[in-house]
Amino acid sequence: EPEVTQTPSHQVTQMGQEVILRCVPISNHLYFYWYRQILGQKVEFLVSFYNNEISEKSEIFDDQFSVERPDGSNFTLKIRSTKLEDSAMYFCASSDRGLSNQPQHFGDGTRLSIL
Amino acid sequence: ILNVEQSPQSLHVQEGDSTNFTCSFPSSNFYALHWYRWETAKSPEALFVMTLNGDEKKKGRISATLNTKEGYSYLYIKGSQPEDSATYLCAFSYNTDKLIFGTGTRLQVFP
Repeated sequence: EPEVTQTPSHQVTQMGQEVILRCVPISNHLYFYWYRQILGQKVEFLVSFYNNEISEKSEIFDDQFSVERPDGSNFTLKIRSTKLEDSAMYFCASSDRGLSNQPQHFGDGTRLSIL
Repeated sequence: ILNVEQSPQSLHVQEGDSTNFTCSFPSSNFYALHWYRWETAKSPEALFVMTLNGDEKKKGRISATLNTKEGYSYLYIKGSQPEDSATYLCAFSYNTDKLIFGTGTRLQVFP
């Protein structure tokens, strides 16, 4: 069964450094998402992306964050200058029709640790 | 602020027991309710997407019901097995495809 893949599985970065988290969504999917879960808290929405544009973003997704689809397969989340509070599990998801009644397919996540 | 609550937070049952847990969500502007099964170190796996009041969905021993008027959904597992041990997440969407998640119910099934 096709799946969403994320790399790396664990990223350790010094505070203030830039980090790029990578995702390969399911190949025929057109709608892409990033979510994160800070330890002990709920999974929270960061951003949705369609047709090379951000469709919606949360308050968390400030100017330090950006997303890109640099080629036909990858979808990346960049954090420009990481803070301690960015430490979390980051999940990428994709769906084929971007409708609220369609399931989103998640990757295994990247655990980001900021030191 | 739109809030999704799940109860209980955790549950320990014996193999063979049936169990159920609850997801509560805002009943206004409802679009869809999603259930996910999330095993440690794996990706959340979509179980059900439910949209209509009174919807009931079933997948093997797992089933779910939906009440949009009062804002709750139940997930049932019949005859729990150790492999059912996971965190069960519900997520609500209202007017977009953004998912708003609950805290999850962590289920542990003992042989």
